Amino acid sequence: DIQLTQSPSFLSASVGDIVTITCRASQGMSSYLAWYQQKPGKAPNLLIYGASTLQSGVPSRFSGSGSGTEFTLTISSLQPEDFATYYCQQYKSYPLTFGGGTKVEIK
Amino acid sequence: QVQLVQSGAEVKEPGASVKVSCKASGYIFTNYAVFWVRQAPGQRLEWMGWINTDNGNTKYSQKFQGRATFTRDTSASTAYMELSSLRFEDTAVYYCVRDGAAHYYDSGGYWVHNWFDPWGQGTLVTVSS
Repeated sequence: DIQLTQSPSFLSASVGDIVTITCRASQGMSSYLAWYQQKPGKAPNLLIYGASTLQSGVPSRFSGSGSGTEFTLTISSLQPEDFATYYCQQYKSYPLTFGGGTKVEIK
Repeated sequence: QVQLVQSGAEVKEPGASVKVSCKASGYIFTNYAVFWVRQAPGQRLEWMGWINTDNGNTKYSQKFQGRATFTRDTSASTAYMELSSLRFEDTAVYYCVRDGAAHYYDSGGYWVHNWFDPWGQGTLVTVSS
Protein backbone atom coordinates (compact mmCIF):
# COMPACT_ATOMS: atom_id res chain seq x y z
CA ASP A 1 0.00 0.00 0.00
CA ILE A 2 1.14 3.56 -0.67
CA GLN A 3 1.49 5.49 2.60
CA LEU A 4 0.95 9.25 2.55
CA THR A 5 2.49 11.49 5.19
CA GLN A 6 1.28 15.06 5.47
CA SER A 7 3.19 17.84 7.17
CA PRO A 8 2.57 19.72 9.24
CA SER A 9 -0.34 18.04 11.02
CA PHE A 10 -1.41 21.39 12.36
CA LEU A 11 -0.61 24.96 11.47
CA SER A 12 -1.69 28.30 12.77
CA ALA A 13 -1.83 31.15 10.26
CA SER A 14 -3.32 34.60 9.73
CA VAL A 15 -5.59 35.93 7.02
CA GLY A 16 -3.45 36.91 4.04
CA ASP A 17 -0.65 34.46 4.82
CA ILE A 18 0.83 32.07 2.28
CA VAL A 19 0.26 28.52 3.46
CA THR A 20 2.10 25.44 2.20
CA ILE A 21 1.16 21.85 3.02
CA THR A 22 3.30 18.90 1.99
CA CYS A 23 2.28 15.34 1.18
CA ARG A 24 5.00 12.69 0.88
CA ALA A 25 4.39 9.26 -0.60
CA SER A 26 6.10 6.02 0.33
CA GLN A 27 6.65 5.26 -3.34
CA GLY A 28 6.56 7.13 -6.63
CA MET A 29 3.13 7.85 -8.00
CA SER A 30 3.63 10.22 -10.92
CA SER A 31 0.89 12.86 -10.63
CA TYR A 32 -1.91 10.66 -9.31
CA LEU A 33 -2.69 12.89 -6.35
CA ALA A 34 -5.76 14.83 -5.25
CA TRP A 35 -6.32 17.39 -2.49
CA TYR A 36 -9.50 17.90 -0.47
CA GLN A 37 -10.72 20.48 2.02
CA GLN A 38 -12.96 19.45 4.90
CA LYS A 39 -14.75 21.79 7.29
CA PRO A 40 -16.09 20.57 10.64
CA GLY A 41 -19.20 18.44 10.30
CA LYS A 42 -19.07 18.54 6.50
CA ALA A 43 -17.96 16.20 3.76
CA PRO A 44 -14.62 16.78 2.06
CA ASN A 45 -14.58 18.94 -1.06
CA LEU A 46 -12.26 18.36 -4.03
CA LEU A 47 -9.73 21.13 -4.65
CA ILE A 48 -7.13 19.66 -6.98
CA TYR A 49 -6.57 16.48 -8.96
CA GLY A 50 -3.71 15.31 -11.14
CA ALA A 51 -1.43 16.99 -8.57
CA SER A 52 -1.95 20.43 -10.11
CA THR A 53 -5.30 20.69 -11.93
CA LEU A 54 -7.67 23.03 -10.15
CA GLN A 55 -11.21 21.68 -9.89
CA SER A 56 -13.83 23.90 -11.51
CA GLY A 57 -15.16 26.49 -9.10
CA VAL A 58 -12.20 26.36 -6.71
CA PRO A 59 -10.58 29.77 -6.10
CA SER A 60 -7.31 30.38 -7.91
CA ARG A 61 -5.49 31.08 -4.63
CA PHE A 62 -5.28 27.28 -4.30
CA SER A 63 -2.54 25.57 -6.29
CA GLY A 64 -0.87 22.19 -6.31
CA SER A 65 2.52 21.02 -7.46
CA GLY A 66 4.84 18.06 -7.35
CA SER A 67 5.22 14.61 -8.80
CA GLY A 68 6.78 11.32 -7.81
CA THR A 69 6.90 11.23 -4.03
CA GLU A 70 6.59 14.86 -2.92
CA PHE A 71 3.59 17.11 -3.44
CA THR A 72 2.56 20.54 -2.22
CA LEU A 73 -0.71 22.37 -1.73
CA THR A 74 -0.31 26.15 -1.55
CA ILE A 75 -2.84 28.76 -0.53
CA SER A 76 -1.48 32.06 -1.81
CA SER A 77 -3.46 34.37 0.46
CA LEU A 78 -5.34 32.65 3.26
CA GLN A 79 -8.98 33.72 3.56
CA PRO A 80 -11.31 33.27 6.56
CA GLU A 81 -13.24 30.53 4.76
CA ASP A 82 -10.03 28.52 4.23
CA PHE A 83 -9.66 27.52 7.87
CA ALA A 84 -10.29 23.78 7.60
CA THR A 85 -8.53 20.42 7.42
CA TYR A 86 -6.81 19.43 4.19
CA TYR A 87 -6.20 15.87 2.97
CA CYS A 88 -4.18 14.43 0.13
CA GLN A 89 -5.25 11.22 -1.62
CA GLN A 90 -3.32 8.99 -4.00
CA TYR A 91 -4.89 7.14 -6.88
CA LYS A 92 -1.81 5.55 -8.38
CA SER A 93 -2.72 2.12 -7.08
CA TYR A 94 -5.23 0.22 -5.00
CA PRO A 95 -6.00 0.47 -2.19
CA LEU A 96 -6.60 4.20 -2.61
CA THR A 97 -5.18 5.94 0.45
CA PHE A 98 -5.36 9.31 2.17
CA GLY A 99 -2.95 11.38 4.17
CA GLY A 100 -3.53 12.02 7.85
CA GLY A 101 -4.69 15.59 7.34
CA THR A 102 -3.43 19.10 8.05
CA LYS A 103 -5.60 21.31 10.22
CA VAL A 104 -5.28 25.02 9.42
CA GLU A 105 -6.37 27.25 12.29
CA ILE A 106 -6.54 30.98 12.85
CA LYS A 107 -3.55 32.54 14.60
CA GLN B 1 -26.70 20.61 -9.68
CA VAL B 2 -24.88 17.33 -9.14
CA GLN B 3 -25.82 15.97 -5.75
CA LEU B 4 -25.58 12.80 -3.69
CA VAL B 5 -28.04 12.49 -0.81
CA GLN B 6 -27.50 9.74 1.73
CA SER B 7 -29.83 8.03 4.18
CA GLY B 8 -29.92 8.98 7.84
CA ALA B 9 -27.89 7.97 10.85
CA GLU B 10 -28.02 4.39 12.11
CA VAL B 11 -27.33 2.73 15.45
CA LYS B 12 -26.60 -0.97 15.30
CA GLU B 13 -25.50 -3.69 17.70
CA PRO B 14 -22.29 -5.66 17.15
CA GLY B 15 -22.82 -8.48 14.67
CA ALA B 16 -25.68 -6.74 12.87
CA SER B 17 -25.71 -5.34 9.33
CA VAL B 18 -26.33 -1.83 8.07
CA LYS B 19 -27.41 -0.64 4.64
CA VAL B 20 -26.78 2.94 3.56
CA SER B 21 -28.39 4.48 0.49
CA CYS B 22 -27.05 7.20 -1.78
CA LYS B 23 -29.43 8.91 -4.22
CA ALA B 24 -27.82 10.72 -7.12
CA SER B 25 -29.27 13.63 -9.06
CA GLY B 26 -28.15 16.20 -11.60
CA TYR B 27 -26.27 13.81 -13.90
CA ILE B 28 -26.63 10.50 -15.72
CA PHE B 29 -26.23 7.99 -12.91
CA THR B 30 -24.86 5.16 -15.05
CA ASN B 31 -22.07 7.30 -16.51
CA TYR B 32 -20.03 7.48 -13.31
CA ALA B 33 -18.76 4.96 -10.80
CA VAL B 34 -19.77 5.46 -7.18
CA PHE B 35 -17.22 4.96 -4.44
CA TRP B 36 -17.59 4.46 -0.70
CA VAL B 37 -15.23 6.08 1.82
CA ARG B 38 -15.47 6.07 5.59
CA GLN B 39 -14.08 8.29 8.33
CA ALA B 40 -13.85 6.85 11.82
CA PRO B 41 -13.37 9.19 14.80
CA GLY B 42 -9.76 10.32 14.94
CA GLN B 43 -8.81 8.19 11.93
CA ARG B 44 -7.90 9.11 8.41
CA LEU B 45 -10.29 8.70 5.51
CA GLU B 46 -10.51 5.10 4.33
CA TRP B 47 -11.45 3.87 0.86
CA MET B 48 -13.85 0.90 0.83
CA GLY B 49 -14.36 0.28 -2.88
CA TRP B 50 -16.50 1.19 -5.87
CA ILE B 51 -19.39 0.04 -8.01
CA ASN B 52 -19.74 0.31 -11.76
CA THR B 53 -23.22 1.81 -11.86
CA ASP B 54 -23.59 0.69 -15.48
CA ASN B 55 -23.27 -3.08 -15.03
CA GLY B 56 -23.07 -3.49 -11.25
CA ASN B 57 -19.50 -4.81 -11.19
CA THR B 58 -17.68 -4.00 -7.99
CA LYS B 59 -14.19 -3.62 -6.58
CA TYR B 60 -13.56 -3.82 -2.85
CA SER B 61 -10.65 -2.89 -0.65
CA GLN B 62 -9.18 -6.12 0.65
CA LYS B 63 -10.03 -4.91 4.16
CA PHE B 64 -13.76 -4.98 3.39
CA GLN B 65 -13.88 -7.90 0.95
CA GLY B 66 -16.53 -10.35 2.14
CA ARG B 67 -18.12 -7.94 4.58
CA ALA B 68 -19.16 -5.02 2.36
CA THR B 69 -21.63 -5.31 -0.51
CA PHE B 70 -22.25 -2.56 -3.04
CA THR B 71 -25.40 -2.57 -5.16
CA ARG B 72 -27.32 -0.07 -7.23
CA ASP B 73 -30.82 0.55 -8.56
CA THR B 74 -30.47 2.35 -11.86
CA SER B 75 -34.20 3.12 -12.09
CA ALA B 76 -33.89 5.07 -8.84
CA SER B 77 -30.38 6.47 -9.48
CA THR B 78 -29.42 5.09 -6.10
CA ALA B 79 -26.38 3.23 -4.84
CA TYR B 80 -26.28 1.14 -1.68
CA MET B 81 -23.58 0.00 0.71
CA GLU B 82 -24.26 -2.86 3.09
CA LEU B 83 -21.75 -3.73 5.80
CA SER B 84 -22.25 -6.93 7.76
CA SER B 85 -20.87 -8.42 10.97
CA LEU B 86 -20.51 -4.95 12.45
CA ARG B 87 -17.85 -4.33 15.08
CA PHE B 88 -17.36 -1.42 17.45
CA GLU B 89 -14.53 -0.18 15.22
CA ASP B 90 -16.93 0.18 12.30
CA THR B 91 -18.37 3.26 14.02
CA ALA B 92 -17.74 5.97 11.43
CA VAL B 93 -19.23 8.42 8.98
CA TYR B 94 -19.76 6.64 5.67
CA TYR B 95 -19.63 8.71 2.49
CA CYS B 96 -20.70 7.89 -1.01
CA VAL B 97 -18.75 9.81 -3.60
CA ARG B 98 -18.94 10.12 -7.33
CA ASP B 99 -15.92 9.44 -9.51
CA GLY B 100 -14.35 12.68 -10.67
CA ALA B 101 -15.02 12.01 -14.33
CA ALA B 102 -17.16 9.68 -16.40
CA HIS B 103 -16.01 6.08 -16.57
CA TYR B 104 -15.15 4.52 -19.90
CA TYR B 105 -14.43 1.27 -21.66
CA ASP B 106 -11.69 0.55 -24.15
CA SER B 107 -9.72 -2.44 -25.41
CA GLY B 108 -7.97 -2.57 -22.05
CA GLY B 109 -11.18 -2.91 -20.09
CA TYR B 110 -13.12 -0.66 -17.76
CA TRP B 111 -11.59 2.52 -16.36
CA VAL B 112 -12.42 4.82 -13.49
CA HIS B 113 -10.57 7.95 -12.40
CA ASN B 114 -10.39 7.35 -8.64
CA TRP B 115 -10.64 10.93 -7.42
CA PHE B 116 -13.83 12.08 -5.83
CA ASP B 117 -16.34 14.78 -6.64
CA PRO B 118 -18.88 15.39 -5.27
CA TRP B 119 -19.33 13.74 -1.89
CA GLY B 120 -22.58 12.80 -0.20
CA GLN B 121 -23.31 14.48 3.10
CA GLY B 122 -22.26 11.37 5.05
CA THR B 123 -24.13 8.83 7.16
CA LEU B 124 -23.08 8.24 10.76
CA VAL B 125 -23.16 4.56 11.67
CA THR B 126 -22.73 3.90 15.37
CA VAL B 127 -22.05 0.37 16.57
CA SER B 128 -23.03 0.09 20.20
CA SER B 129 -24.35 -2.54 22.56
